[in-house]
Amino acid sequence: SQELEQSPQSLIVQEGKNLTINCTSSKTLYGLYWYKQKYGEGLIFLMMLQKGGEEKSHEKITAKLDEKKQQSSLHITASQPSHAGIYLCGARVENSGGYQKVTFGIGTKLQVIP
Amino acid sequence: EPEVTQTPSHQVTQMGQEVILRCVPISNHLYFYWYRQILGQKVEFLVSFYNNEISEKSEIFDDQFSVERPDGSNFTLKIRSTKLEDSAMYFCASSEARLAGIDTQYFGPGTRLTVL
Repeated sequence: SQELEQSPQSLIVQEGKNLTINCTSSKTLYGLYWYKQKYGEGLIFLMMLQKGGEEKSHEKITAKLDEKKQQSSLHITASQPSHAGIYLCGARVENSGGYQKVTFGIGTKLQVIP
Repeated sequence: EPEVTQTPSHQVTQMGQEVILRCVPISNHLYFYWYRQILGQKVEFLVSFYNNEISEKSEIFDDQFSVERPDGSNFTLKIRSTKLEDSAMYFCASSEARLAGIDTQYFGPGTRLTVL
């Protein structure tokens, strides 16, 4: 099973609509990151969340961390075509050896229709 | 704004050949990372590097892989004898510091490696 499950895997929304992407970890989280990736390009850092209940916003993007549920959500308000891309959650989780490792979700592909 | 740069943007090589992927991390950063992303799959951690040595590595990072910081600015990933399954996008990342194990990693644009 995936250590980080993202949902939905793809999303098509009308410009101006709000949307939410979720990321759930099967292991204890030691920090969670959200990145945006355009196809074939690098990852653009959006936000990092460290503490349970933490919420951060940047322009029209808000991310929250629910440490108890080991889950984070990314919410985009009034989506625009510039928001289109692949949203990746990444996290530090504990591996079988007791050390932390960095792992990523498969990504959520977002299309915004004008 | 400072950014991580990677060269080349695309590398094509024959199976069995050695390749070196190069990265220039952000200048005041102390931690360096390599990741790969096979087409259509998730980003996978390969290795992290601090103070001129490997601090963490994944099961993917076997003896065929090595990393080096040959001078004060470059950070390289070497694959000794490439296999078809090494074809992927390779991302370099760097971070300033690790605070309680948490860091913000800034990624380069990637090098697309194609092994024929």
